[in-house]
Amino acid sequence: AQSVTQLGSHVSVSEGALVLLRCNYSSSVPPYLFWYVQYPNQGLQLLLKYTTGATLVKGINGFEAEFKKSETSFHLTKPSAHMSDAAEYFCAVWGQNFVFGPGTRLSVLP
Amino acid sequence: GAGVSQSPSNKVTEKGKDVELRCDPISGHTALYWYRQRLGQGLEFLIYFQGNSAPDKSGLPSDRFSAERTGESVSTLTIQRTQQEDSAVYLCASSLGDHTGELFFGEGSRLTVL
Repeated sequence: AQSVTQLGSHVSVSEGALVLLRCNYSSSVPPYLFWYVQYPNQGLQLLLKYTTGATLVKGINGFEAEFKKSETSFHLTKPSAHMSDAAEYFCAVWGQNFVFGPGTRLSVLP
Repeated sequence: GAGVSQSPSNKVTEKGKDVELRCDPISGHTALYWYRQRLGQGLEFLIYFQGNSAPDKSGLPSDRFSAERTGESVSTLTIQRTQQEDSAVYLCASSLGDHTGELFFGEGSRLTVL
Protein backbone atom coordinates (compact mmCIF):
# COMPACT_ATOMS: atom_id res chain seq x y z
CA ALA A 1 0.00 0.00 0.00
CA GLN A 2 1.12 3.53 -0.55
CA SER A 3 0.21 6.93 0.86
CA VAL A 4 1.11 10.57 0.39
CA THR A 5 1.20 13.43 2.85
CA GLN A 6 1.57 17.08 2.01
CA LEU A 7 2.60 19.43 4.78
CA GLY A 8 0.51 22.59 4.71
CA SER A 9 -2.90 22.74 3.11
CA HIS A 10 -2.28 26.38 2.20
CA VAL A 11 0.98 28.15 1.41
CA SER A 12 1.31 31.87 0.70
CA VAL A 13 4.39 33.45 -0.85
CA SER A 14 5.18 36.86 -2.25
CA GLU A 15 5.72 37.28 -5.97
CA GLY A 16 9.38 36.60 -6.71
CA ALA A 17 9.92 34.55 -3.57
CA LEU A 18 10.94 30.90 -3.36
CA VAL A 19 8.15 28.34 -3.58
CA LEU A 20 8.54 25.16 -1.52
CA LEU A 21 5.71 22.63 -1.36
CA ARG A 22 6.39 19.54 0.72
CA CYS A 23 5.51 15.95 -0.11
CA ASN A 24 6.34 12.76 1.76
CA TYR A 25 5.29 9.31 0.67
CA SER A 26 5.23 5.74 1.78
CA SER A 27 5.33 2.84 -0.61
CA SER A 28 6.02 -0.85 -0.32
CA VAL A 29 7.57 -0.89 -3.79
CA PRO A 30 9.99 1.51 -5.48
CA PRO A 31 7.79 4.50 -6.14
CA TYR A 32 7.15 6.57 -9.15
CA LEU A 33 6.33 10.10 -8.01
CA PHE A 34 4.36 12.88 -9.61
CA TRP A 35 3.26 16.46 -9.07
CA TYR A 36 0.00 17.60 -10.62
CA VAL A 37 -1.39 21.13 -10.71
CA GLN A 38 -5.01 22.25 -10.80
CA TYR A 39 -5.57 25.83 -11.86
CA PRO A 40 -8.86 27.45 -10.85
CA ASN A 41 -11.81 25.94 -12.74
CA GLN A 42 -9.54 23.67 -14.75
CA GLY A 43 -8.67 19.98 -14.76
CA LEU A 44 -5.51 18.51 -13.31
CA GLN A 45 -2.39 18.46 -15.42
CA LEU A 46 1.01 16.89 -14.96
CA LEU A 47 3.73 19.23 -13.70
CA LEU A 48 6.60 16.75 -13.45
CA LYS A 49 7.42 13.15 -12.63
CA TYR A 50 10.17 10.94 -11.27
CA THR A 51 10.40 7.36 -12.47
CA THR A 52 14.04 6.29 -12.57
CA GLY A 53 17.41 7.92 -13.14
CA ALA A 54 18.24 11.46 -12.12
CA THR A 55 16.69 12.34 -8.80
CA LEU A 56 16.28 16.03 -9.63
CA VAL A 57 13.54 16.42 -12.18
CA LYS A 58 12.43 19.53 -13.99
CA GLY A 59 8.90 20.28 -15.05
CA ILE A 60 6.88 22.94 -16.74
CA ASN A 61 6.80 26.60 -15.72
CA GLY A 62 10.16 26.50 -13.94
CA PHE A 63 9.21 23.97 -11.28
CA GLU A 64 11.49 21.18 -10.16
CA ALA A 65 11.44 18.42 -7.55
CA GLU A 66 14.04 16.20 -5.96
CA PHE A 67 13.47 12.59 -5.01
CA LYS A 68 15.20 11.79 -1.71
CA LYS A 69 14.81 8.13 -0.90
CA SER A 70 16.38 8.41 2.55
CA GLU A 71 13.83 11.05 3.51
CA THR A 72 10.95 9.52 1.52
CA SER A 73 10.36 12.99 0.14
CA PHE A 74 9.62 14.61 -3.19
CA HIS A 75 9.39 18.34 -2.45
CA LEU A 76 8.43 20.78 -5.21
CA THR A 77 10.33 24.04 -5.63
CA LYS A 78 10.45 27.09 -7.84
CA PRO A 79 13.06 29.82 -7.34
CA SER A 80 10.76 32.75 -8.07
CA ALA A 81 6.98 32.69 -7.73
CA HIS A 82 4.75 34.27 -10.34
CA MET A 83 1.15 35.33 -9.90
CA SER A 84 0.13 32.72 -12.46
CA ASP A 85 1.45 29.95 -10.18
CA ALA A 86 -1.54 30.33 -7.86
CA ALA A 87 -3.23 26.95 -7.96
CA GLU A 88 -3.77 23.69 -6.10
CA TYR A 89 -0.80 21.31 -6.21
CA PHE A 90 -1.10 17.57 -5.69
CA CYS A 91 1.67 15.10 -5.06
CA ALA A 92 0.97 11.54 -6.21
CA VAL A 93 2.65 8.17 -5.98
CA TRP A 94 2.28 5.11 -8.16
CA GLY A 95 2.82 1.81 -6.42
CA GLN A 96 -0.16 -0.43 -7.03
CA ASN A 97 -2.33 2.41 -8.25
CA PHE A 98 -2.17 6.18 -8.35
CA VAL A 99 -2.63 7.70 -4.89
CA PHE A 100 -2.85 11.45 -4.48
CA GLY A 101 -2.03 13.60 -1.51
CA PRO A 102 -4.57 16.01 -0.03
CA GLY A 103 -3.20 18.96 -1.98
CA THR A 104 -1.62 22.31 -1.13
CA ARG A 105 -3.20 25.56 -2.23
CA LEU A 106 -0.56 28.06 -3.29
CA SER A 107 -1.38 31.75 -3.08
CA VAL A 108 0.98 34.33 -4.58
CA LEU A 109 0.82 37.80 -3.09
CA PRO A 110 1.74 40.89 -5.12
CA GLY B 1 -11.46 12.36 -29.07
CA ALA B 2 -8.52 14.50 -28.19
CA GLY B 3 -8.99 14.29 -24.45
CA VAL B 4 -10.88 12.56 -21.68
CA SER B 5 -14.54 13.43 -21.93
CA GLN B 6 -16.95 13.27 -19.00
CA SER B 7 -20.70 13.72 -18.91
CA PRO B 8 -22.75 15.25 -17.55
CA SER B 9 -20.62 18.20 -16.50
CA ASN B 10 -23.19 19.09 -13.86
CA LYS B 11 -25.86 16.96 -12.24
CA VAL B 12 -28.34 17.99 -9.58
CA THR B 13 -30.40 15.21 -8.09
CA GLU B 14 -32.63 14.51 -5.15
CA LYS B 15 -31.58 12.37 -2.25
CA GLY B 16 -32.41 8.74 -2.89
CA LYS B 17 -32.20 8.90 -6.68
CA ASP B 18 -29.68 6.92 -8.73
CA VAL B 19 -27.16 8.69 -10.98
CA GLU B 20 -24.85 7.55 -13.76
CA LEU B 21 -21.69 9.37 -14.69
CA ARG B 22 -19.90 8.65 -17.94
CA CYS B 23 -16.26 8.77 -18.95
CA ASP B 24 -14.80 8.49 -22.44
CA PRO B 25 -11.05 7.95 -22.14
CA ILE B 26 -8.44 8.83 -24.70
CA SER B 27 -8.38 6.26 -27.48
CA GLY B 28 -5.73 3.61 -26.88
CA HIS B 29 -5.49 4.25 -23.15
CA THR B 30 -5.80 0.93 -21.36
CA ALA B 31 -5.95 2.33 -17.82
CA LEU B 32 -8.90 4.28 -16.43
CA TYR B 33 -9.35 5.76 -12.97
CA TRP B 34 -12.24 7.34 -11.07
CA TYR B 35 -11.59 9.81 -8.26
CA ARG B 36 -13.87 11.85 -6.03
CA GLN B 37 -12.98 15.41 -5.04
CA ARG B 38 -15.09 16.97 -2.33
CA LEU B 39 -15.11 20.76 -2.04
CA GLY B 40 -11.74 22.01 -0.88
CA GLN B 41 -10.33 18.53 -0.49
CA GLY B 42 -7.95 16.23 -2.31
CA LEU B 43 -8.56 13.39 -4.69
CA GLU B 44 -10.07 10.26 -3.22
CA PHE B 45 -9.37 7.12 -5.23
CA LEU B 46 -12.48 5.15 -6.13
CA ILE B 47 -11.71 2.50 -8.74
CA TYR B 48 -9.08 1.55 -11.32
CA PHE B 49 -9.47 -0.43 -14.56
CA GLN B 50 -6.46 -1.84 -16.42
CA GLY B 51 -7.14 -3.64 -19.66
CA ASN B 52 -8.99 -6.90 -19.13
CA SER B 53 -7.76 -7.38 -15.57
CA ALA B 54 -10.17 -7.40 -12.66
CA PRO B 55 -10.69 -3.80 -11.53
CA ASP B 56 -9.26 -2.49 -8.28
CA LYS B 57 -12.41 -1.51 -6.39
CA SER B 58 -10.68 -0.90 -3.08
CA GLY B 59 -11.61 2.79 -2.99
CA LEU B 60 -15.35 2.49 -3.45
CA PRO B 61 -16.85 3.94 -0.25
CA SER B 62 -19.96 1.76 -0.08
CA ASP B 63 -21.97 -0.82 -2.00
CA ARG B 64 -24.06 2.04 -3.39
CA PHE B 65 -21.14 2.79 -5.69
CA SER B 66 -20.29 0.66 -8.72
CA ALA B 67 -18.48 1.12 -11.99
CA GLU B 68 -18.19 -0.69 -15.26
CA ARG B 69 -15.97 -0.41 -18.25
CA THR B 70 -16.62 -1.81 -21.70
CA GLY B 71 -13.35 -3.21 -22.97
CA GLU B 72 -10.88 -0.37 -23.17
CA SER B 73 -13.44 2.31 -23.85
CA VAL B 74 -16.29 3.97 -22.02
CA SER B 75 -16.76 3.69 -18.28
CA THR B 76 -19.81 4.48 -16.19
CA LEU B 77 -19.83 5.20 -12.48
CA THR B 78 -23.20 4.52 -10.86
CA ILE B 79 -24.27 5.83 -7.49
CA GLN B 80 -27.46 4.31 -6.14
CA ARG B 81 -29.74 5.91 -3.57
CA THR B 82 -27.66 9.09 -3.50
CA GLN B 83 -26.96 10.83 -0.20
CA GLN B 84 -26.00 14.44 0.43
CA GLU B 85 -22.45 13.38 1.32
CA ASP B 86 -22.08 12.08 -2.24
CA SER B 87 -22.00 15.68 -3.46
CA ALA B 88 -18.60 16.18 -5.06
CA VAL B 89 -16.77 16.45 -8.36
CA TYR B 90 -16.16 13.03 -9.85
CA LEU B 91 -12.99 12.95 -11.92
CA CYS B 92 -12.04 10.39 -14.53
CA ALA B 93 -8.50 9.92 -15.80
CA SER B 94 -6.90 7.62 -18.33
CA SER B 95 -3.37 6.59 -19.19
CA LEU B 96 -1.45 4.28 -21.48
CA GLY B 97 -1.34 1.79 -18.66
CA ASP B 98 2.34 1.82 -17.92
CA HIS B 99 2.77 3.43 -14.56
CA THR B 100 5.56 5.67 -15.74
CA GLY B 101 3.08 7.51 -17.83
CA GLU B 102 0.94 10.47 -17.16
CA LEU B 103 -2.69 10.54 -16.13
CA PHE B 104 -4.91 12.61 -18.38
CA PHE B 105 -7.89 14.01 -16.51
CA GLY B 106 -11.33 14.97 -17.69
CA GLU B 107 -13.02 18.15 -16.56
CA GLY B 108 -15.09 16.23 -14.06
CA SER B 109 -18.77 15.74 -13.31
CA ARG B 110 -20.08 17.94 -10.52
CA LEU B 111 -22.77 16.12 -8.55
CA THR B 112 -25.07 17.96 -6.17
CA VAL B 113 -27.47 15.94 -4.06
CA LEU B 114 -30.27 17.99 -2.55
